[in-house]
Amino acid sequence: DVKVTQSSRYLVKRTGEKVFLECVQDMDHENMFWYRQDPGLGLRLIYFSYDVKMKEKGDIPEGYSVSREKKERFSLILESASTNQTSMYLCASSLETSGNTIYFGEGSWLTVV
Amino acid sequence: AQSVTQPDIHITVSEGASLELRCNYSYGATPYLFWYVQSPGQGLQLLLKYFSGDTLVQGIKGFEAEFKRSQSSFNLRKPSVHWSDAAEYFCAVGPSYNTDKLIFGTGTRLQVFP
Repeated sequence: DVKVTQSSRYLVKRTGEKVFLECVQDMDHENMFWYRQDPGLGLRLIYFSYDVKMKEKGDIPEGYSVSREKKERFSLILESASTNQTSMYLCASSLETSGNTIYFGEGSWLTVV
Repeated sequence: AQSVTQPDIHITVSEGASLELRCNYSYGATPYLFWYVQSPGQGLQLLLKYFSGDTLVQGIKGFEAEFKRSQSSFNLRKPSVHWSDAAEYFCAVGPSYNTDKLIFGTGTRLQVFP
């Protein structure tokens, strides 16, 4: 069965802290994504990666960075967390072939205080 | 500009009633169209997708959607809603060549009364 796992479901961090959100997929997918979900705004793409060590900016990359050292793992990094980064973060993955389904993790709720 | 519009933020229906969730898109090329569902506190699950062929697409959990190119719409329907269908529903559109450019709508929250 398809599995995208986000290890931290709920986090509370202080302003200025460095935050790591980890995501692992077990489907050997080439593409991996980080989205941010906010009420009334839907899902917005932060970064995506189509291969190991490769990354592309999405629609809202400011304040975020990513790391993909292994194919199955894609990390989202908040270098200095701010209160406006309080949100639900969704990791996802898909096969490289066009039109393939994107599979989502269960999400990480981040609160920055 | 490419966009997806879900005009209904919140819909309430009675259990057993029929359901239609609206989705309109603006897209310059041949679109791939998706409907996802998100249960409270969970990630998104694919309900159905349309790439080509028959414009009426069947999905999981008894849902279907119809692609109408002339109206730029991809509305989701279910003939009889169950209480477990209460969730948030997202329409998404993407290019035919890859899935890393999906554009999501803002979602429609469905509430089901017994």
